[in-house]
Parts: sequence; structure tokens; C-alpha cells
Amino acid sequence: EDQVTQSPEALRLQEGESSSLNCSYTVSGLRGLFWYRQDPGKGPEFLFTLYSAGEEKEKERLKATLTKKESFLHITAPKPEDSATYLCAVQAGSNYKLTFGKGTLLTVNP
Amino acid sequence: DADVTQTPRNRITKTGKRIMLECSQTKGHDRMYWYRQDPGLGLRLIYYSFDVKDINKGEISDGYSVSRQAQAKFSLSLESAIPNQTALYFCATSDFYNEQFFGPGTRLTVL
Repeated sequence: EDQVTQSPEALRLQEGESSSLNCSYTVSGLRGLFWYRQDPGKGPEFLFTLYSAGEEKEKERLKATLTKKESFLHITAPKPEDSATYLCAVQAGSNYKLTFGKGTLLTVNP
Repeated sequence: DADVTQTPRNRITKTGKRIMLECSQTKGHDRMYWYRQDPGLGLRLIYYSFDVKDINKGEISDGYSVSRQAQAKFSLSLESAIPNQTALYFCATSDFYNEQFFGPGTRLTVL
């Protein structure tokens, strides 16, 4: 069974204080790892897809990286508007379903 | 206009009532999904459909049914709602590459 674990569950940062969120996974045959952002009461918003170890993708202050066991979402000089829950999901083998982690709630204080 | 829409956005109902949640998309995707989200449990897949004639159960399909009326429409029904079905429900769509796009959600409360 595919498993996705995100840590920490919650992270509080000061504006400008860079940090990383972790997504560790146990799957058989990774097809893709996905990062989403979710604001309270709203649907998840797609951020990145990573397909193979060593791959990196960037968007504004966010950078996602992938190894064979985990993915990191690095947040550089965050702003209060980056506050949200960040979700990680994996797709593995011939199964087209996504398995989601429980998310990391990020709060960035001004 | 939003690419994925869900109706209603909020619903309060009573135990035993039949409820239908509707989802429409304008992205032209063949694949559609229904998830529920509960605090501390994350997103869990209820049903998914890869085309109009293909319906599949997800990890928590008991107590739910679905109908794919057209490529753009996918409905979720609770035949007899119970309180533990109180949750936030999301519809999502994807193309072959499986980047899923989510609707705004329906907050369902079963009393």
C-alpha cells in the first residue's frame, strides 16, 4: 500500500525566514509526486509535478526537489500570503490514483 | 468562470435523507474524481471515472454512489446520509498526465 507522510504537521515562520517542508513516501514504482497548496475552505491548487529523483522545479518563492524516498518543498523568504496548507501526493505503478499526505499547515507571520 | 464547479457549496441535511452533489468541468478532461476531506485524515478518494462508461470505486466508496452523465458532469450521491458523512467534498479532473484540478468544494453537514 502506498504511503505518504508529511512533516511537520504545522510550521510557523516569520516573514523572510526560509524553511523546508518534507514529504516522505513508500511506493512501488513512482510515476509522479505532486505538490498542492490549499487555502482554508478552498480546493487544492496544483503547484508542481516531479517525476524522477534529482528533478527540481521552481515557482516564485517555492522550490520542490525529489529523491528516491522523499520530496522537499523549500520556501525562500516567505511572505504572509504564503500561509496555507501544503499537500503532497504520489502516483505509483499502474495505478492512476493519487495518494495524499495529511498536509503541512504553514503560517507566516508579518 | 471557474474550470471546475460544484453545487451546492454548502448543505445541511438530516440523517436518512438522500443527497446529490454535482460537479461540472470545462477543462475537457476525461478523468473525474470525488474526494472527501476530514480534519486529520487528509483527502480520501471515494470514486473515480476515466470516461463516461468507466466508473471505479476508491478507498471509501461504501455509502456513496456516482453517475457520470457526460464527459463534463460527475455526480456523487449519498443514498441515506449519516452523521459520519459530514465532511468537505471535492471534485477533481485530470488529463492523462494526472495533474488533478480541484473544484471549490461542498461543505456537507449531516445532523
